[in-house]
Amino acid sequence: AQTVTQSQPEMSVQEAETVTLSCTYDTSESNYYLFWYKQPPSRQMILVIRQEAYKQQNATENRFSVNFQKAAKSFSLKISDSQLGDTAMYFCAFMRRSNDYKLSFGAGTTVTVRA
Amino acid sequence: ETGVTQTPRHLVMGMTNKKSLKCEQHLGHNAMYWYKQSAKKPLELMFVYNFKEQTENNSVPSRFSPECPNSSHLFLHLHTLQPEDSALYLCASSQVQDSITYSGNTIYFGEGSWLTVV
Repeated sequence: AQTVTQSQPEMSVQEAETVTLSCTYDTSESNYYLFWYKQPPSRQMILVIRQEAYKQQNATENRFSVNFQKAAKSFSLKISDSQLGDTAMYFCAFMRRSNDYKLSFGAGTTVTVRA
Repeated sequence: ETGVTQTPRHLVMGMTNKKSLKCEQHLGHNAMYWYKQSAKKPLELMFVYNFKEQTENNSVPSRFSPECPNSSHLFLHLHTLQPEDSALYLCASSQVQDSITYSGNTIYFGEGSWLTVV
């Protein structure tokens, strides 16, 4: 079974600054996907960014980027130029490529952006 | 309009009631899912439907009964629930390449249905 660990329950950041969320995972698989989802107060789970494990290049999506360290099984999310609308809970998730309809989620990190 | 819509958004039901949650996806996907999100617990996958066939039942009690009449609609029928079943129920969908490999899957979620069992 895969486990996903997010060690930071809460983080606070000043508007326009940068915050980095950590995520580690445990798997014996070599092919898999990693995701960051955002869940704002509306509770809808929104895909932020996706990384394919066979790609060495870190994924980026506008102000969101990841640092994917496959050997260390680490997948951190960096939010640059934080905006008030980034306030949400952020979930790291893992999906095996061989049986990849199951998303395993971490416990989440609540990010609060201060004006 | 979001790609995955859920109704009702909030539901309060007694333990002897029968109710249903509805999900509709407008993304042309061929797989749909039910997830449960409880306080202080990671999201749990409950059911998976691929090409309208249930391919996963993640040890969910029989008081939860899914139904997938077509690839765009998914229901979760609720009967004789317990207070510990109170949670946010999230529907999701994705496009899978075929019924076996699911390669390249990205899952999109609805806004959820808040269920309170009293």
